[in-house]
Amino acid sequence: DAGITQSPRHKVTETGTPVTLRCHQTENHRYMYWYRQDPGHGLRLIHYSYGVKDTDKGEVSDGYSVSRSKTEDFLLTLESATSSQTSVYFCAIRETGTGSYNEQFFGPGTRLTVL
Amino acid sequence: SQQGEEDPQALSIQEGENATMNCSYKTSINNLQWYRQNSGRGLVHLILIRSNEREKHSGRLRVTLDTSKKSSSLLITASRAADTASYFCATDARGGSEKLVFGKGTKLTVNP
Repeated sequence: DAGITQSPRHKVTETGTPVTLRCHQTENHRYMYWYRQDPGHGLRLIHYSYGVKDTDKGEVSDGYSVSRSKTEDFLLTLESATSSQTSVYFCAIRETGTGSYNEQFFGPGTRLTVL
Repeated sequence: SQQGEEDPQALSIQEGENATMNCSYKTSINNLQWYRQNSGRGLVHLILIRSNEREKHSGRLRVTLDTSKKSSSLLITASRAADTASYFCATDARGGSEKLVFGKGTKLTVNP
């Protein structure tokens, strides 16, 4: 599992509340990613990070912010949760270095329900 | 819009048969990858094929890449019930993009 954990694994919240999801890795990878997965859409990139304090937007970044204050943690925040953000959220890391070609390894996912 | 699109969306076969899934993409790529996702779990990297490769094998997996047609296929030979999962292709754009774009997946069911 490439040493990736996500917390919480399940969360139910109400519309308008802020929510923060945490991704933690133990292997000092530089690149970390947040995706959401919805039926009929596959995986879509929300934000990614290429180093501490270095982040960039993905395909579906509206309504989400991220922070990476240390290598091992990448936080995804829904500033004011909406029902359209009900989804399964996956964190991933990218292998780099000799012999790597952008393979990504995924955490177990967080199932978020916004009522 | 997404780069990769898998075909078919769903495939049901008997144990022991071969399963073939296809992926089409739109722009030039550095490499193409296939991932598997078991129900309720994260994606697992299966195999990567580089843009200058035409075929690659890993165990019971065979991947082909046709850059002229912008398509790839994943063949699973002698399928097992444990191969039941969704399979996704992912591409990164030529030029060294750090991002992958995933297709919507093929849901494979292998019946015992």
